Amino acid sequence: SQQGEEDPQALSIQEGENATMNCSYKTSINNLQWYRQNSGRGLVHLILIRSNEREKHSGRLRVTLDTSKKSSSLLITASRAADTASYFCATDAGGTSYGKLTFGQGTILTVHP
Amino acid sequence: NAGVTQTPKFQVLKTGQSMTLQCAQDMNHEYMSWYRQDPGMGLRLIHYSVGAGITDQGEVPNGYNVSRSTTEDFPLRLLSAAPSQTSVYFCASSYGQVRSYEQYFGPGTRLTVT
Repeated sequence: SQQGEEDPQALSIQEGENATMNCSYKTSINNLQWYRQNSGRGLVHLILIRSNEREKHSGRLRVTLDTSKKSSSLLITASRAADTASYFCATDAGGTSYGKLTFGQGTILTVHP
Repeated sequence: NAGVTQTPKFQVLKTGQSMTLQCAQDMNHEYMSWYRQDPGMGLRLIHYSVGAGITDQGEVPNGYNVSRSTTEDFPLRLLSAAPSQTSVYFCASSYGQVRSYEQYFGPGTRLTVT
């Protein structure tokens, strides 16, 4: 079963705007990761946030984690056409399941030039 | 470094045929995983390994076998292909608990079973 539910399923914005994607999950986690997938390609790791962290930044990316609500959000600021891709959250439950990622269904982001 | 490599890139099988999808990494990663990606389903874990000689099942293991005889290689075997196994298959690797759980993905194998 899918652990993560992502919202929205698709997002269309203009270059320069910010894009926010949300992820909810069901069980407790050790960490949550975000990945990007360009059409027809493999996934690329963007950022990892641990369960004891609330916010993390990497360049134009900002990730928040609310373990009480079992949710995370990914914000991409000042979007570019090159950011057009699918974005997935993935949870790692830790313990005996370290390294076993459970992915959400993804958000398709389209950035119009 | 080549990173994570997968062969073949494309494959068409008839129902009942068997084949092996190859995956190799040259980063000395402990952890390796196989996922399948179906339209609208995200990625689902098939099997994974935390080191040579150690494998475990993921969410959707039926119809697939794996073994890990070396750190570098993690082949996925389809025992008797079925149309339900039509999918894109991704191999991934990571350092694991020692350093990081960030996973590095291969380019994928697109499999069609007729």
